[in-house]
Amino acid sequence: EPEVTQTPSHQVTQMGQEVILRCVPISNHLYFYWYRQILGQKVEFLVSFYNNEISEKSEIFDDQFSVERPDGSNFTLKIRSTKLEDSAMYFCASSGSPGTGGETQYFGPGTRLLVL
Amino acid sequence: AQSVTQLDSQVPVFEEAPVELRCNYSSSVSVYLFWYVQYPNQGLQLLLKYLSGSTLVKGINGFEAEFNKSQTSFHLRKPSVHISDTAEYFCAVSTTSGTYKYIFGTGTRLKVLA
Repeated sequence: EPEVTQTPSHQVTQMGQEVILRCVPISNHLYFYWYRQILGQKVEFLVSFYNNEISEKSEIFDDQFSVERPDGSNFTLKIRSTKLEDSAMYFCASSGSPGTGGETQYFGPGTRLLVL
Repeated sequence: AQSVTQLDSQVPVFEEAPVELRCNYSSSVSVYLFWYVQYPNQGLQLLLKYLSGSTLVKGINGFEAEFNKSQTSFHLRKPSVHISDTAEYFCAVSTTSGTYKYIFGTGTRLKVLA
């Protein structure tokens, strides 16, 4: 069964450093998402991406964040200058076309980011 | 805007007992509804979903949920739980158009006791 994969599984970085979290969505999916889960809290929407552009972003997704689909298979989240409060589990998700089961998002296993 | 409320942060239950995890939502437009399970140190796995049609939906691992539009609820139930059901359960909604982003509830930690 196809699945969403994410690398790395864990990342430790110093405050102010740039990090890139990588995701490989399910191959025929069209919608891509990033969510984050701060320890002990709920999963929060960050951004959605469709047709090579951001379709929606939350207020969390400020100028320090960016997303990219560089090569048609990977989907990346970049945090330009990490802050302590960026420490969280980051989930990538993908879905197909709505009406063909695309309403359902499939989540990757997550990347646990720790900013020191 | 949509919101999701999971009233119970923790639910302890003995093995083989029934369980209900509550989820209420608020939305001015039609929504799709989902339950996901998160086992320790793992990602989110889809348990079941309501898109349309029959209000009683069955999912994996013996779970089912009932969509109640008048009460804006989507409670998750299992008639007999196992130790292996110990996990965090998240209710989520998405709009039926647009970006289909999910809005999650705060989660319910189900602890099954021997």
